Amino acid sequence: QKEVEQNSGPLSVPEGAIASLNCTYSDRGSQSFFWYRQYSGKSPELIMFIYSNGDKEDGRFTAQLNKASQYVSLLIRDSQPSDSATYLCAVGNNAGNMLTFGGGTRLMVKP
Amino acid sequence: ETGVTQSPTHLIKTRGQQVTLRCSSQSGHNTVSWYQQALGQGPQFIFQYYREEENGRGNFPPRFSGLQFPNYSSELNVNALELDDSALYLCASSPGTGAIGNTIYFGEGSWLTVV
Repeated sequence: QKEVEQNSGPLSVPEGAIASLNCTYSDRGSQSFFWYRQYSGKSPELIMFIYSNGDKEDGRFTAQLNKASQYVSLLIRDSQPSDSATYLCAVGNNAGNMLTFGGGTRLMVKP
Repeated sequence: ETGVTQSPTHLIKTRGQQVTLRCSSQSGHNTVSWYQQALGQGPQFIFQYYREEENGRGNFPPRFSGLQFPNYSSELNVNALELDDSALYLCASSPGTGAIGNTIYFGEGSWLTVV
């Protein structure tokens, strides 16, 4: 049974700070990793995907992957109140189209 | 706007009843997956359909069944509803089984409450 673990939070950061969200996964053979943002009552929205070890940056977001340690993280720079949401980590199967999700981390950015 | 539409958006059913949820995929997408998201949890994969055939199933009992039609729209059917079936049901479409996660598009979901 593949597992994806996240701290449920809430993670509270002040506006303008860096938010750091972490995720670990159990299947060492996993190749594709995704971060989704989900506002309350809405569906998940893809923010980032990463396949290779290291960092991947997109605007204020940076995804980090360490396959040896089996963790993936998401950094949000200059956090805004509008970033307040639940962030879901997901791991793809070999075809990359079936996702195993973690339970999500609730982020609260305080003005 | 993902181009994936689901209906109904909200519904209430009684334990033991049956429910059908519908999904219209984004144009050109021939693969549909269904996920169940209980309150406070991450989505869980139910099953996937590719060109009208089931193409993978998660850890859900047979009373969860599905269909995909020639126009690639899809239905999720749940029989003998239980209280624990109360959840947000998400449909996700993609342009093929080889598609990667960045091309999976979620609909807004159907909220099911079982009383």
